[in-house]
Amino acid sequence: GAVVSQHPSRVICKSGTSVKIECRSLDFQATTMFWYRQFPKQSLMLMATSNEGSKATYEQGVEKDKFLINHASLTLSTLTVTSAHPEDSSFYICSASSTATTYEQYFGPGTRLTVT
Amino acid sequence: DAKTTQPPSMDCAEGRAANLPCNHSTISGNEYVYWYRQIHSQGPQYIIHGLKNNETNEMASLIITEDRKSSTLILPHATLRDTAVYYCIVRVMNRDDKIIFGKGTRLHILP
Repeated sequence: GAVVSQHPSRVICKSGTSVKIECRSLDFQATTMFWYRQFPKQSLMLMATSNEGSKATYEQGVEKDKFLINHASLTLSTLTVTSAHPEDSSFYICSASSTATTYEQYFGPGTRLTVT
Repeated sequence: DAKTTQPPSMDCAEGRAANLPCNHSTISGNEYVYWYRQIHSQGPQYIIHGLKNNETNEMASLIITEDRKSSTLILPHATLRDTAVYYCIVRVMNRDDKIIFGKGTRLHILP
């Protein structure tokens, strides 16, 4: 099946710094990628929809200037958490939509961000 | 908001069939029923999907009622590795269609 990877799998950063998370579709092209955030014991919450070559569409309540999304190629989308604070500590998950397989969405393994 | 309702948790004995219900009474004619599961600290994993006919794959079976207002995911022989949160989702078959996750069902497989 289609594989989506994320890097890093786990990151610890100091408050005020920025962190970049990569999401790659390894064996398919993804014109659309999605970013989710998940707090402990809660469900996944969609943050934004990322389309290759265009600006991301953010969900209500998600600060676009804080969570920068870039989808520069058909296999890579990045999420940058700028000026991170402890409340940004969370599990970030991406998914990619494959046009080759009836628009299935495949999820990455997630990135655990801890801001100290 | 999620368009589905699921029980928050269920227990199932190892080796028995796990039957996970889902209500989606407002499902539209062009929406599919999808099931994903999430094992602790991992990304969601696709299980199965269907439109109106029952479906079966190597992981599970999906039974959709004739009026499509509810469905049941069946794991025929549950193992400890099936312990996870199971999400029932309705969505159209469109690459831009975002998936809105509800709270899912936390399935505990008991040894």
